[in-house]
Amino acid sequence: KAGVTQTPRYLIKTRGQQVTLSCSPISGHRSVSWYQQTPGQGLQFLFEYFSETQRNKGNFPGRFSGRQFSNSRSEMNVSTLELGDSALYLCASSGEGNEQFFGPGTRLTVL
Amino acid sequence: AQSVTQLDSHVSVSEGTPVLLRCNYSSSYSPSLFWYVQHPNKGLQLLLKYTSAATLVKGINGFEAEFKKSETSFHLTKPSAHMSDAAEYFCVVSGQAGTALIFGKGTTLSVSS
Repeated sequence: KAGVTQTPRYLIKTRGQQVTLSCSPISGHRSVSWYQQTPGQGLQFLFEYFSETQRNKGNFPGRFSGRQFSNSRSEMNVSTLELGDSALYLCASSGEGNEQFFGPGTRLTVL
Repeated sequence: AQSVTQLDSHVSVSEGTPVLLRCNYSSSYSPSLFWYVQHPNKGLQLLLKYTSAATLVKGINGFEAEFKKSETSFHLTKPSAHMSDAAEYFCVVSGQAGTALIFGKGTTLSVSS
């Protein structure tokens, strides 16, 4: 099976812009979770989608949003970018078990 | 609330010597615990998981971890380190909803020849 894929792998934006990141889960997985990784805060949970519905949400401002499509692919959007949003954004998918399988991440740089 | 504490931010070993990465957890219920590894510029790879079955869990690449409820610990070990083991390791506990993962701050493992 193909693993979790994320596009794009690298992205450079300026403050105030918005960005959309994409994640394709492992075939058959219906749950997709998003995480932010920064040197200062480490890995933090953003949100989780299951069957096109947000099932769980972390402690991030409303500028961070997501959605999931009927084929389980997920997108994450960040509006009004701030310098502090520079991070590695990781997507993970899970199936029947509770282990999550991670993609390679999207490296976002905000200038 | 669930949390994990990785007791060492950096561990250095010589190739062929044992590896011990320490993790303590806090959970108000029986937790699911994981160890993930992240190589530079790569995503996270699951090494092993504990989900209330056997307390000694064997993972990939010769790693194993022992769940000790009395000590609230889930330390990761490997009998003999390889150069390729150099990476960052994360101890993780699942949130109460069972979906959100809560990560420790990570332990950087260095392996010298």
